[in-house]
Amino acid sequence: GAGVSQTPSNKVTEKGKYVELRCDPISGHTALYWYRQSLGQGPEFLIYFQGTGAADDSGLPNDRFFAVRPEGSVSTLKIQRTERGDSAVYLCASSLEPYNSPLHFGNGTRLTVT
Amino acid sequence: AQTVTQSQPEMSVQEAETVTLSCTYDTSESDYYLFWYKQPPSRQMILVIRQEAYKQQNATENRFSVNFQKAAKSFSLKISDSQLGDAAMYFCAYKEYGNKLVFGAGTILRVKS
Repeated sequence: GAGVSQTPSNKVTEKGKYVELRCDPISGHTALYWYRQSLGQGPEFLIYFQGTGAADDSGLPNDRFFAVRPEGSVSTLKIQRTERGDSAVYLCASSLEPYNSPLHFGNGTRLTVT
Repeated sequence: AQTVTQSQPEMSVQEAETVTLSCTYDTSESDYYLFWYKQPPSRQMILVIRQEAYKQQNATENRFSVNFQKAAKSFSLKISDSQLGDAAMYFCAYKEYGNKLVFGAGTILRVKS
């Protein structure tokens, strides 16, 4: 596709449930990033992949959060035992390479935990 | 840790007028990049302008320009001839080597017709 695609656009889940959020980056982009944007705040870095490997996962808040990118393209952010505080917009971005190329963002997934 | 501060939660501008959004940041590095992103209701972050810290010349993109004051760690965005389509949330962001961005809390820009 022409841009970064994120699915679903919106997700409502109950506290304690497991969710998966998907990101399909721009074709050929080797670097992929996940950010979390809570209401009224700027995005906060979660994790970044270079190819298939997580190059920096220092932003993941705790071990309930996990992300994969098994074939170096599509990535899935997985949240176990969701809590109401996980409610936020989860943004994915990709770039051609991880150093000087600009980031291209998707439209995000709005996660609501009830 | 690096921090980015946007002290204006909300700004308003009349159509065709000029508005300046403020941003300050804290870093001990000498080489870094600064960005302004626009986020409309669609939620997609759109790059408006980028500045490399080692370049003294202020970046310009059409109606958008920055005032980069490295010693003061200030990076303001000027929007000239404001248009209704400029209304959005604007975020200032900082990046060192590598592509991990640190964002400010954002400024809502309202454009009045």
